Amino acid sequence: DGGITQSPKYLFRKEGQNVTLSCEQNLNHDAMYWYRQDPGQGLRLIYYSQIVNDFQKGDIAEGYSVSREKKESFPLTVTSAQKNPTAFYLCASKKAGAGSNQPQHFGDGTRLSIL
Amino acid sequence: AQKVTQAQTEISVVEKEDVTLDCVYETRDTTYYLFWYKQPPSGELVFLIRRNSFDEQNEISGRYSWNFQKSTSSFNFTITASQVVDSAVYFCALPPMNRDDKIIFGKGTRLHILP
Repeated sequence: DGGITQSPKYLFRKEGQNVTLSCEQNLNHDAMYWYRQDPGQGLRLIYYSQIVNDFQKGDIAEGYSVSREKKESFPLTVTSAQKNPTAFYLCASKKAGAGSNQPQHFGDGTRLSIL
Repeated sequence: AQKVTQAQTEISVVEKEDVTLDCVYETRDTTYYLFWYKQPPSGELVFLIRRNSFDEQNEISGRYSWNFQKSTSSFNFTITASQVVDSAVYFCALPPMNRDDKIIFGKGTRLHILP
């Protein structure tokens, strides 16, 4: 079955450390997204990519970086510059150019905590 | 401005009661779509329904129904005869008509169904 796989499910970061969250999709979707969710909060967009080798900052990109070298993969790195990284991170994808009636499909999320 | 408001932060009802989740939106577009997502405790967002602005007919899917009213810019979601498995956070969302714009999520309503 097609879907989005995020790994790991739980991740712990030490002070000053960079960590990378994986997101892989086999839906053949062009567009991919990273969101951050804090307790009791909605979703905030970190980065998104409409096509391979191109990505744009979302609303809260500071302290994060991404790459899009393959259509299937959109890893997110939480750098040491992100001072409050503890949150639930969700990856999503959708068909690009298919109009706004196409919903985003989401992975199961990665819960990141500070040690 | 593009905006989605879910004024109900948290709702608790006893199992088998009916419950309505409110969603009010603002959009500059004359044609648009609206989505509802469910986020169970496992974390993944599950797409529930898509509605376009051309069609104001109510939609029913089993115990779920949606009331779209353009005149009041609302897209409310009703669960009839609620069950414990309906406990989740529910998000209303306004996807962009322009492919370069971002989907706008409401902050979500956390629904507790008490046994």
